[in-house]
Amino acid sequence: AQRVTQPEKLLSVFKGAPVELKCNYSYSGSPELFWYVQYSRQRLQLLLRHISRESIKGFTADLNKGETSFHLKKPFAQEEDSAMYYCALKGYGQNFVFGPGTRLSVLP
Amino acid sequence: DVKVTQSSRYLVKRTGEKVFLECVQDMDHENMFWYRQDPGLGLRLIYFSYDVKMKEKGDIPEGYSVSREKKERFSLILESASTNQTSMYLCATAEVWGGNTIYFGEGSWLTVV
Repeated sequence: AQRVTQPEKLLSVFKGAPVELKCNYSYSGSPELFWYVQYSRQRLQLLLRHISRESIKGFTADLNKGETSFHLKKPFAQEEDSAMYYCALKGYGQNFVFGPGTRLSVLP
Repeated sequence: DVKVTQSSRYLVKRTGEKVFLECVQDMDHENMFWYRQDPGLGLRLIYFSYDVKMKEKGDIPEGYSVSREKKERFSLILESASTNQTSMYLCATAEVWGGNTIYFGEGSWLTVV
């Protein structure tokens, strides 16, 4: 079965502090993993995907197949990073499976 | 730039009413999805469609149906609305091939009283 878990519902950090949003998945094959973000009053949008190995807005995420994890990291959080973050997996077929989300609050 | 439009942003309906949520996309994508977004539960898939007149049940299809008569339009129908269907509904689209990105509409906030 395909499943995505995000253990933290809410994560609060101070501006300039490092941030890590955790994501674990269960999938028997080779999944494609994504992070989506939803800023206040905006639509859900793609932040980054593991296949691109890119850094977007200072965020990076590494796929660890041994630990089945895809944690999102940023060395220095900014107030504008405050948002809802969803980890997602694309596995069998064309379906995307989303985790429950983590709300990141960056305090001044 | 992909555009996914949900015509109704905010709706208030009474218990037992039939509710239609409309979604239109302008990118000729084959796949369309309806998700429900609830705090603590994230996004849960209700139905998806991979072609005109084709549909597949998602994780929580009970109480919902869908219609896809044209490629660009995907409708979610609540046959008899109930209070536990009060939620944010998100429509999304993706390509079939190379479709590694899913694009979302702004959402429809439905309140059933």
